[in-house]
Amino acid sequence: EAQVTQNPRYLITVTGKKLTVTCSQNMNHEYMSWYRQDPGLGLRQIYYSMNVEVTDKGDVPEGYKVSRKEKRNFPLILESPSPNQTSLYFCASRDWGTGDTEAFFGQGTRLTVV
Amino acid sequence: GQQLNQSPQSMFIQEGEDVSMNCTSSSIFNTWLWYKQDPGEGPVLLIALYKAGELTSNGRLTAQFGITRKDSFLNISASIPSDVGIYFCAGRGVTGTASKLTFGTGTRL
Repeated sequence: EAQVTQNPRYLITVTGKKLTVTCSQNMNHEYMSWYRQDPGLGLRQIYYSMNVEVTDKGDVPEGYKVSRKEKRNFPLILESPSPNQTSLYFCASRDWGTGDTEAFFGQGTRLTVV
Repeated sequence: GQQLNQSPQSMFIQEGEDVSMNCTSSSIFNTWLWYKQDPGEGPVLLIALYKAGELTSNGRLTAQFGITRKDSFLNISASIPSDVGIYFCAGRGVTGTASKLTFGTGTRL
């Protein structure tokens, strides 16, 4: 089954404690991205990756890092989380190219930073 | 970053009614997408539009890619309880960050 898998689904952490949210897709997609979803703001892109070792900033990259060492994985790293990073996070993937713009989303990670 | 204006923000309807929502942008898009998000889940793609003027249906859902390429509309006919959720539009721009999707703020149905 084609899917994007995020872990964990829920996470409560304290300010400043480094954390990583994992994302894995089994569709051999080149393009992967991370979004955060906040009430009234919709989904805003944090980082995206067009292929292995190719990453770039989205609209709200401050406080986040990513890496793309393998095609299937695209972890999101918060080196020093702060309360304003409390949010619902989604990983997504899709084929690169003009013909296929579908985006497959993971089920989300609800992060609370206290 | 750019955001799309999506309206209405929320709506309450009776079962059986038709629903309309729309998205507008200040810039031109090559692609318009419509998603639905159920509570506790990620967005699921409903309809994808690739050409200006295109009208596409998926069951009771119909979406249109505006002629100006700056707007899109989603209609749901004869709504049923399982239509409840948040609907998002998303657009893909023309140049530069051609692969990036910009999302609307959502319509809560």
